Amino acid sequence: EVQLLESGGGLVQPGGSLRLSCATSGFTFSNHAMSWVRQAPGKGLDWVSRISDSGSDTHYADPVKGRFTISRDNSKNILYLQMSGLRAADTALYYCAKGIAAASSFESWGQGTLVTVSP
Amino acid sequence: EIVLTQSPATLSLSPGEGATLSCRASQSVSRYLAWYQQKPGQAPRLLIYDASNRATGIPARFSGSGSGTDFTLTISSLEPEDFAVYYCQQRNNWPLTFGGGTKVEIK
Repeated sequence: EVQLLESGGGLVQPGGSLRLSCATSGFTFSNHAMSWVRQAPGKGLDWVSRISDSGSDTHYADPVKGRFTISRDNSKNILYLQMSGLRAADTALYYCAKGIAAASSFESWGQGTLVTVSP
Repeated sequence: EIVLTQSPATLSLSPGEGATLSCRASQSVSRYLAWYQQKPGQAPRLLIYDASNRATGIPARFSGSGSGTDFTLTISSLEPEDFAVYYCQQRNNWPLTFGGGTKVEIK
């Protein structure tokens, strides 16, 4: 059974940093592109970042470019999102999502970790 | 950035009725469009990928069609568990984008 378990969320002041983790199991992690998708309270889905299966290729949404860094450890089956320069607009539930092989349609999702940016 | 516009915003229907949801892209996404279902307090679930391919375990009452800029998700006969919010998402261009969602509610 595929499992994605996010952690690392919490309350942080504007300008602060957090590192999110997504521990995975039940599939061959190194064969799949992975993404982070967020959802602000009561709002729709926003894609944040994507990393290729090998980790050599990354993409970011414009609002987070230069502030967030996606990475992965294929030896530990863990996906990361390093967030810095956090803003109130980054407040959201952050989901880790597994792509269909190298593609970026998301066939499995975690339950999310909540990031709240507030003074 | 490709903008995905979903319509209608809300669809009020009764169990047993059919539902037709639309997703229009601001430029062609070929067939690289997916549909997701999200219920309150739950993570999204993939229903359809690449316009018309049902994801694993998705019932046959869900079907997708379209290409280019116009896409449709059809639910042939609504079951009680189908009342939810539905999102489309394109993977043809970076950045990946989602539509704003269609809420299917019980009439």
